[in-house]
Amino acid sequence: AQSVTQPDIHITVSEGASLELRCNYSYGATPYLFWYVQSPGQGLQLLLKYFSGDTLVQGIKGFEAEFKRSQSSFNLRKPSVHWSDAAEYFCAVGAPNDYKLSFGAGTTVTVRA
Amino acid sequence: DSGVTQTPKHLITATGQRVTLRCSPRSGDLSVYWYQQSLDQGLQFLIHYYNGEERAKGNILERFSAQQFPDLHSELNLSSLELGDSALYFCASSKLAPPDTQYFGPGTRLTVL
Repeated sequence: AQSVTQPDIHITVSEGASLELRCNYSYGATPYLFWYVQSPGQGLQLLLKYFSGDTLVQGIKGFEAEFKRSQSSFNLRKPSVHWSDAAEYFCAVGAPNDYKLSFGAGTTVTVRA
Repeated sequence: DSGVTQTPKHLITATGQRVTLRCSPRSGDLSVYWYQQSLDQGLQFLIHYYNGEERAKGNILERFSAQQFPDLHSELNLSSLELGDSALYFCASSKLAPPDTQYFGPGTRLTVL
């Protein structure tokens, strides 16, 4: 079964600074990878996804992620964060013939002025 | 707005009671998934329906059940409620059977007193 690790529980970043959130997965083949964002009291919004092809994926709100098979990673990046990026971010992995998404524990991002 | 709707937004009830959570998927989506988000367990997959048929079960208690109706909306029934059932319950939908991108609703926050 697949699993996801998000090593950072909480990250604080200054507005305008770059952001990188780490995600490592465990799965024997190429998984399907997702990043979702959850603002306080809100549902999960899809930021981006990787199924196959180009390993650098562009998403909404200026986010991008890079799939690195050799490192079993799918890290999320943003060059310049805005105060509105303060939220909880979840990495998720899916697999062929598996009906569920397995989520990481999430990383909470705080943006300071 | 993902296009997935969930009602009610909040639900407060007592131990031993039974509640029903409702989900309407995005227009055209055949798959519905239910997830539970709690502080100690994180996001856990409960159950998946595709075009009215149950396709997979995750960590769903026997006290919980679900169904998907001909119009594709889904209901999650929680009975004999316990304090530990207090959580945020998400519904997600996708156009096809997995693997396919899942879009999440805003959730129903259940509080059991």
